[in-house]
Amino acid sequence: QVQLVQSGAEVKKPGASVKVSCKASGYTFTSYYVHWVRQAPGQGLEWMGVMTPSGSTIYAQKFQGRVTMTRDTSTSTVYMDLSSLRSEDTAVYYCARDWSYWGQGALVTVSS
Amino acid sequence: QAGLTQPPSVSRSLRQTATLTCTGNSNNVGNQGAAWLQQHQGQPPKLLSYRNNDRPSGISERLSASRSGNTASLTITGLQPEDEADYYCSAWDTSLSAWVFGGGTRLTVL
Repeated sequence: QVQLVQSGAEVKKPGASVKVSCKASGYTFTSYYVHWVRQAPGQGLEWMGVMTPSGSTIYAQKFQGRVTMTRDTSTSTVYMDLSSLRSEDTAVYYCARDWSYWGQGALVTVSS
Repeated sequence: QAGLTQPPSVSRSLRQTATLTCTGNSNNVGNQGAAWLQQHQGQPPKLLSYRNNDRPSGISERLSASRSGNTASLTITGLQPEDEADYYCSAWDTSLSAWVFGGGTRLTVL
């Protein structure tokens, strides 16, 4: 069965970077889009960007220059790296294959 | 980035029908439709409807999605307690080259 398993919770200081992983299984890794979506406490969903099947990336304008999405096809893992963290980046970060399958989410807390 | 517009909350009684709306423009909802997602507190979202209004396998037939112009709708009939959740719509915006979400609608089943 399709599964997306994300890395664990992180606590970071302002200005630092965080790298969240999303390990896929149960399907052909290079055949589907993998999105990154975040959700601040008590807020709605916010699209950050997507890794396409070919390995290219499309980022939301809001995160351009601060986000980098990469993948390792040998381990079927997609990574999302967010830099220059600020308190407003405190959120649960999700990966999602198309919109059909979602990871469990990774809480990133940015606090001094 | 401009998002899609959803009413913040809708309340209906048990066994009634609720219709949730999602308004965009000709670059997003009006172009390729909207997907619908359900999220219960503390859980990841769950896909309820693809952009073409089809339901994924396992989604109740009580749910149906449709679109008229730039507005997408999700109708839930025979409301049950487990339908109480947050509902989000999402669409690809061709002018932004980005996915956009609605702000979400909290459905309360009385």
